[in-house]
Amino acid sequence: ETGVTQSPTHLIKTRGQQVTLRCSSQSGHNTVSWYQQALGQGPQFIFQYYREEENGRGNFPPRFSGLQFPNYSSELNVNALELDDSALYLCASSLGLAQYNEQFFGPGTRLTVL
Amino acid sequence: RKEVEQDPGPFNVPEGATVAFNCTYSNSASQSFFWYRQDCRKEPKLLMSVYSSGNEDGRFTAQLNRASQYISLLIRDSKLSDSATYLCVGSDSSYKLIFGSGTRLLVRP
Repeated sequence: ETGVTQSPTHLIKTRGQQVTLRCSSQSGHNTVSWYQQALGQGPQFIFQYYREEENGRGNFPPRFSGLQFPNYSSELNVNALELDDSALYLCASSLGLAQYNEQFFGPGTRLTVL
Repeated sequence: RKEVEQDPGPFNVPEGATVAFNCTYSNSASQSFFWYRQDCRKEPKLLMSVYSSGNEDGRFTAQLNRASQYISLLIRDSKLSDSATYLCVGSDSSYKLIFGSGTRLLVRP
């Protein structure tokens, strides 16, 4: 186990609704990254938080937003859900921003949008 | 064109076989490379980092060719437990991981 936890494990929503996903990073890790993995694809980078500040964002619309708390846990919020938002959402924690720092992934939240 | 491209497979090999996966990347600014393993419906886990000098870990060998923008993973003496999806990953100075779509490996008895 990586020590990274995510909640909930599964979620079903309908189009237009809003959702909040949560991630607790591994102890001592101050960086959290969020990824979206559609079926049959590799994970795609959504954004990264370092010490409570956004530190880079992938090609996702503004309705994907997030934040990081002082204890370095993080939330991903998605507004106005669309069918294509159905995916596995993964968070990964790491210590600092060095490229060689391993990112440890949580088990993911599987979101289904109907 | 995707930044990291892999053959999706599946590669179906018998136990004990040697299998090689290849991956190409298009962003010459990519500085770090990795192979991740992902089991069905599980999270990705780091298998190994990839260096220009080559990197070996037991039955696994990874190689990076910067001139050709090409990364490889060799698995010797395949085990049933090696069945999984192998993700080729690059990272540039922005620290985000850029994943390929993955190559599926099935090792049969």
